[in-house]
Amino acid sequence: KQEVTQIPAALSVPEGENLVLNCSFTDSAIYNLQWFRQDPGKGLTSLLLIQSSQREQTSGRLNASLDKSSGRSTLYIAASQPGDSATYLCAVDKVGNAGKSTFGDGTTLTVKP
Amino acid sequence: SQTIHQWPATLVQPVGSPLSLECTVEGTSNPNLYWYRQAAGRGLQLLFYSVGIGQISSEVPQNLSASRPQDRQFILSSKKLLLSDSGFYLCAWSVPSGTYNEQFFGPGTRLTVL
Repeated sequence: KQEVTQIPAALSVPEGENLVLNCSFTDSAIYNLQWFRQDPGKGLTSLLLIQSSQREQTSGRLNASLDKSSGRSTLYIAASQPGDSATYLCAVDKVGNAGKSTFGDGTTLTVKP
Repeated sequence: SQTIHQWPATLVQPVGSPLSLECTVEGTSNPNLYWYRQAAGRGLQLLFYSVGIGQISSEVPQNLSASRPQDRQFILSSKKLLLSDSGFYLCAWSVPSGTYNEQFFGPGTRLTVL
C-alpha cells in the first residue's frame, strides 16, 4: 500500500526566504506526482505535476523535483511572500492504479511579513 | 476553459437524514470524476471514482454511495447520515492521457452532521 508523508507538518518563515517542502512515498512505482495548494476552507489548486520520467518541473517561483528511486519529491519556493501562506499537499498515482491518488497530510506554510 | 462546480458550499444535517451533494464539470468531455473526503488537518481520502456514465468504483466501505447519471455530473448520496460522515467533501476531474493524469478540484462542500 502506498504511503505518502510530508514533513514538517507546519513551517513558518519570514518573507523573502527561499524554502523547501518535502514529500516522500513508499512505493517508487508511480505514474505521476502532483503538488497542490489549499487555502483554508477552499478546494485544491494544482501547482505542478511531474511524470515518472521527469526529474523536475518549474512554474514561476516554484520548482518541483522528483527522485523516484529514493521515493522523494521537493517543492522549492523562491523569494516567499505572505500570499504563499497555505497548505501544500502532494499526491502520487501508483502504477496500476492510474487516477487513484494517495495524498500526504500536507505542510501548512506561514510566511510572515 | 474547464470549470467544476459543487453545491451546496456548506450543509448542516441531523443524524439519520439523507444527503445529496452534486458536482458538475464544464468544458470537457468524458472526464474521470472523483469524490474525496478531507478530515480536519489531514490529507484527502478517495471515496469514489468514475471513468464513465454509470461506472462507479468504491474505494472505502462506508455509509455513502455515488452515481453518475450524466457524463459531467457526479452525485454523492447517503440514505442516513452518521456523525462520522462530517467533513469536507471535494469533487475532482481529470482527463487521462496515457499515464499523464492531472487532477483539478472543485471548491468543496463542508458537511456537519449533528
